[in-house]
Amino acid sequence: GDSVTQMEGPVTLSEEAFLTINCTYTATGYPSLFWYVQYPGEGLQLLLKATKADDKGSNKGFEATYRKETTSFHLEKGSVQVSDSAVYFCALSDLSDTGKLIFGQGTTLQVKP
Amino acid sequence: DARVTQTPRDKVTEMGQEVTMRCQPILGHNTVFWYRQTMMQGLELLAYFRNRAPLDDSGMPKDRFSAEMPDATLATLKIQPSEPRDSAVYFCASTGTLYNEQFFGPGTRLTVL
Repeated sequence: GDSVTQMEGPVTLSEEAFLTINCTYTATGYPSLFWYVQYPGEGLQLLLKATKADDKGSNKGFEATYRKETTSFHLEKGSVQVSDSAVYFCALSDLSDTGKLIFGQGTTLQVKP
Repeated sequence: DARVTQTPRDKVTEMGQEVTMRCQPILGHNTVFWYRQTMMQGLELLAYFRNRAPLDDSGMPKDRFSAEMPDATLATLKIQPSEPRDSAVYFCASTGTLYNEQFFGPGTRLTVL
């Protein structure tokens, strides 16, 4: 079945460092791809999305490009801030029209001043 | 600013008691999801509804959990009787968009003593 694999955390970076969180997926078709962020004590929030191959989603300085050839959707940010400390989830949409999302296990990012 | 709302935000109860959690999806969204999040298991899909009808509740322990949508503006998740292993954060999410992006509520933190 469809699945999402994220790099294991925690990821610890210093402020202003470059961030990459790897995400690869397995799907029979061409699903939409998402990154969600969960700040401490809160629910998941949509960070960005891409709906077809080669699309680049971007928001708040974060970017991810839908790479069909490598089945990847890696999250990047050029300069992280302490306020970016959170758990990041990669997800893909179920193509069976149920509205379901398949989530990765989440990657914790800790940014130190 | 349309949001998913959940009540209560926090619930502490004793083993054996009934617990009811409520969710108000975003107006116009026709699909509602219940998730459970724990440190050990991560994010688990419990059940979901489309147009108030249950599509899948295979993620729920059938003997003690039940989920309903009495109307389009209210989804409920009930645990009876509750057990300490049910302690978790329970999230509701809704979608009605073309690309299945889900919008999450703030969660109900349940502690069963």
